[in-house]
Amino acid sequence: AQSVAQPEDQVNVAEGNPLTVKCTYSVSGNPYLFWYVQYPNRGLQFLLKYITGDNLVKGSYGFEAEFNKSQTSFHLKKPSALVSDSALYFCAVRPRDQKVTFGTGTKLQVIP
Amino acid sequence: DGGITQSPKYLFRKEGQNVTLSCEQNLNHDAMYWYRQDPGQGLRLIYYSQIVNDFQKGDIAEGYSVSREKKESFPLTVTSAQKNPTAFYLCASSPIAGSSYNEQFFGPGTRLTVL
Repeated sequence: AQSVAQPEDQVNVAEGNPLTVKCTYSVSGNPYLFWYVQYPNRGLQFLLKYITGDNLVKGSYGFEAEFNKSQTSFHLKKPSALVSDSALYFCAVRPRDQKVTFGTGTKLQVIP
Repeated sequence: DGGITQSPKYLFRKEGQNVTLSCEQNLNHDAMYWYRQDPGQGLRLIYYSQIVNDFQKGDIAEGYSVSREKKESFPLTVTSAQKNPTAFYLCASSPIAGSSYNEQFFGPGTRLTVL
């Protein structure tokens, strides 16, 4: 069975500092990997995805994620955090031709 | 303005009542999904549909029902058989059924509270 782990319920970072939100997964084969962001009482918005190729994926709002096959990880990163980045972040994994599985979410708090 | 709309934004239900949550998309997407979001549990799939007049159960389908009579619409009914329906419900869509690499587009959600 496939699974996604986001080991940190909350991440706190000072404005201007780099941020990392962690995601690891367990799935057979080569999955597609996604990051979404959710602001309070809103739906999820797509940030970026890994399909194949370059392990560093760039997405919306200056976010990027690094795919590491050996560690089965897909950590979300941003070089300089903004207060407006404060939100709930979800990692998702989708094996080919199967349903998507979401992680439990990580709340990012950027402190001014 | 393309996107997914959900209505109502807030819904209150008395125990024993069925309620229907609306989801409409004008993105011409083939696939549509319903998720339930509870604090600390992420998103759990209730039902999904890849084509009109066809849908499949997700991981937590008990107590819910859906229909897909039109490509644009995928309403969710929360029945009285659902024991703990209070949650935030999200509808999503994605293009080209069967293409696993496509991201999903989400509606703004409906918050259902059982009184």
